[in-house]
Amino acid sequence: DAGITQSPRHKVTETGTPVTLRCHQTENHRYMYWYRQDPGHGLRLIHYSYGVKDTDKGEVSDGYSVSRSKTEDFLLTLESATSSQTSVYFCAISEDWGETQYFGPGTRLLVL
Amino acid sequence: GQSLEQPSEVTAVEGAIVQINCTYQTSGFYGLSWYQQHDGGAPTFLSYNALDGLEETGRFSSFLSRSDSYGYLLLQELQMKDSASYFCAVRDFPTTYSNYQLIWGAGTKLIIKP
Repeated sequence: DAGITQSPRHKVTETGTPVTLRCHQTENHRYMYWYRQDPGHGLRLIHYSYGVKDTDKGEVSDGYSVSRSKTEDFLLTLESATSSQTSVYFCAISEDWGETQYFGPGTRLLVL
Repeated sequence: GQSLEQPSEVTAVEGAIVQINCTYQTSGFYGLSWYQQHDGGAPTFLSYNALDGLEETGRFSSFLSRSDSYGYLLLQELQMKDSASYFCAVRDFPTTYSNYQLIWGAGTKLIIKP
């Protein structure tokens, strides 16, 4: 299995608070992605990174920001959490922009 | 718009064969991927088709017809452990948002009965 970890694995927070999720990889892959998964929607891309300090928006980026200061770490920040951001968040990596992505175990976030 | 259509749920019997279809409508196409996700788990890569035809990997096969914008995942000799959700995904280039994202189907829940 690809070496991808996510932290925390579970989090409960209150509306209006900032939240940061961390993705860490040991594969030295160039591309990293943040998705959210909600029932009936499959996976939706929030942000992705194609290198250190190189990031771009995905389909559902409003209310989220990302940073990548090192190859191995990709951080997702909910600037002011809302109940609509309750979801399961997956980090993924890929060696190049080819189709195979490897996913982390996910973070379950509940915003009250 | 860009879209992938797959059935929301498929039911089959242990030991049987099942086919999960995926039709896509995208502005570009570089390949069709399939991922498996067990309840509570992360998606894992199963197969990828860039060219027309059938790709076989053990009990799983994936087929692509670019002219029909259609593909399917074929699972043979079904086992209870195959109960999971299966997602098709297309790399569409370029897109409104970026050049590097996958377009995902909503997933097909495969229910296997003994």
